[in-house]
Amino acid sequence: DVKVTQSSRYLVKRTGEKVFLECVQDMDHENMFWYRQDPGLGLRLIYFSYDVKMKEKGDIPEGYSVSREKKERFSLILESASTNQTSMYLCASHLAGELYEQYFGPGTRLTVT
Amino acid sequence: QKEVEQNSGPLSVPEGAIASLNCTYSDRGSQSFFWYRQYSGKSPELIMSIYSNGDKEDGRFTAQLNKASQYVSLLIRDSQPSDSATYLCAVPYNTDKLIFGTGTRLQVFP
Repeated sequence: DVKVTQSSRYLVKRTGEKVFLECVQDMDHENMFWYRQDPGLGLRLIYFSYDVKMKEKGDIPEGYSVSREKKERFSLILESASTNQTSMYLCASHLAGELYEQYFGPGTRLTVT
Repeated sequence: QKEVEQNSGPLSVPEGAIASLNCTYSDRGSQSFFWYRQYSGKSPELIMSIYSNGDKEDGRFTAQLNKASQYVSLLIRDSQPSDSATYLCAVPYNTDKLIFGTGTRLQVFP
């Protein structure tokens, strides 16, 4: 059974804190993604990675960075959290070339106060 | 900027009726299309994919694609309250990425 897990379901942080969101997949997928989902705006791509140590910016990378040191793990970092980063964060992965099989993690609802 | 447009709804249908969900896209070169279902508080899950013009049926779900009109739809026959969810249309771009519509919220009432 395929699985994408995220480190927290709910997280509350203060403005200015450094925040780490972790995603782990056990399917040996090359491609991993971080999205945020907001009402009325849908899913928006923050960053993605095609391979270990490789990363590319998505549509809204400002204020975020990522790290992929191992194939199964993709981390999203908020260097200095701000209230406008309050959102649902979703991680996803798929095998290279098999976009139709993109699997999502359960999501992390982050609140920045 | 490639775009995927959906009516946000909510679309309310009675139990047993056909629910029709629509999606338009801006990139004429798109070749594949996906429908995801997202229950409240949960993550999206893939329910249908379609690659060629016409209809594709899977149980109570039918995806319809019209590339000339840049239009893809999802029909849910014999709608059940358990079908109440947000349905996201997604279109690939740059080979390995998806662009999602904002989703249509479907409510099926008994």
